Amino acid sequence: AQRVTQPEKLLSVFKGAPVELKCNYSYSGSPELFWYVQYSRQRLQLLLRHISRESIKGFTADLNKGETSFHLKKPFAQEEDSAMYYCALMGASGYALNFGKGTSLLVTP
Amino acid sequence: GAVVSQHPSRVICKSGTSVKIECRSLDFQATTMFWYRQFPKKSLMLMATSNEGSKATYEQGVEKDKFLINHASLTLSTLTVTSAHPEDSSFYICSARDPSGRLYEQYFGPGTRLTVT
Repeated sequence: AQRVTQPEKLLSVFKGAPVELKCNYSYSGSPELFWYVQYSRQRLQLLLRHISRESIKGFTADLNKGETSFHLKKPFAQEEDSAMYYCALMGASGYALNFGKGTSLLVTP
Repeated sequence: GAVVSQHPSRVICKSGTSVKIECRSLDFQATTMFWYRQFPKKSLMLMATSNEGSKATYEQGVEKDKFLINHASLTLSTLTVTSAHPEDSSFYICSARDPSGRLYEQYFGPGTRLTVT
């Protein structure tokens, strides 16, 4: 069975502080992992994908297979980063996504 | 970028009636669309995978006779909630995959808020 766990419902940090949103997964095969973001009153959109190893809006995420984690990090949070963040796993069943419960990030000035 | 629309954005219906939600890919042809349901303060739960020209594949626990999915064209999938009950009230989100784009990328619609009274 595949599962995505985001242990924090809400994460509040000050502007300029580092932020880490946790994501753990369970999957028997080789997972494809993603971070999606939903800003207030906007639709869900892809933030980044683990294979791309890219940095989007200053965010990075590294897949750690030993710890089965895919934490999202940013060294200096900005107020515009406030949003709902979802970690998602794409298994073998045809591109469908299995989402975690999401973490609401609040960056305060 | 690719755009997915949903109609209506919100709908209120009475118990026992049926309601149809449309999901359209506006500038690409989507061979595969997905329907998700989002409960308050909870995650998106995949309901079914909709493939153009074939029957939808439902996730375990999702009643296919209650949530009818039709993907009659490459740009339109519909979700019909039949004999709606108050517990069907939820936020329904569709996504579509552009087969000509990056294999992994899905584009999400804005969602439809269904309230059953």
